[in-house]
Amino acid sequence: DQQVKQNSPSLSVQEGRISILNCDYTNSMFDYFLWYKKYPAEGPTFLISISSIKDKNEDGRFTVFLNKSAKHLSLHIVPSQPGDSAVYFCAASKNTGNQFYFGTGTSLTVIP
Amino acid sequence: NAGVMQNPRHLVRRRGQEARLRCSPMKGHSHVYWYRQLPEEGLKFMVYLQKENIIDESGMPKERFSAEFPKEGPSILRIQQVVRGDSAAYFCASSPGQGGISVDYGYTFGSGTRLTVV
Repeated sequence: DQQVKQNSPSLSVQEGRISILNCDYTNSMFDYFLWYKKYPAEGPTFLISISSIKDKNEDGRFTVFLNKSAKHLSLHIVPSQPGDSAVYFCAASKNTGNQFYFGTGTSLTVIP
Repeated sequence: NAGVMQNPRHLVRRRGQEARLRCSPMKGHSHVYWYRQLPEEGLKFMVYLQKENIIDESGMPKERFSAEFPKEGPSILRIQQVVRGDSAAYFCASSPGQGGISVDYGYTFGSGTRLTVV
């Protein structure tokens, strides 16, 4: 039962352009959402988060948007850089929970 | 300030053998989480432990898998009588002692142990 879904397994973007990674979830009890970035042979590293009381959170080149009614969130990276090439995981949690529910990841390639 | 340390990085076991995966949390972190990533899948929660206590093991397979986090030493994920389907990347994460997961910075993950069962 995949409660967090990333339907695009891969995405290619030209350097300097915007990367938009999408994530959908099914459980309305999720309160917190995070994006993790993962390079090969490394563990995921935290990138940015958003609480369900907000619809946008920005950190430098990274912005996460949350649409609760659509149960959808997205990560925008602008401008994209070659070093952003990695697998990006969306994750969600419940306020009272002990775990994150992860999507299957989107592999981003930024072409120089 | 060392991060979450996992060892070994790679582990090869024959079917029926035991696998022991170790995780040392970040300094000052007393909460440990184990996740498994099967090929072509996202990370799946397995177990959440505090020192000497299993808090949530809802993601652990019912048989052959066990986890501990003793008062001294690393957390251990133990898989008995491994089968080919156990081949995966196993990630450990830790968080500070104030409890639970944090939306502000998530967990800190280790680099994982890649288990291959032949």
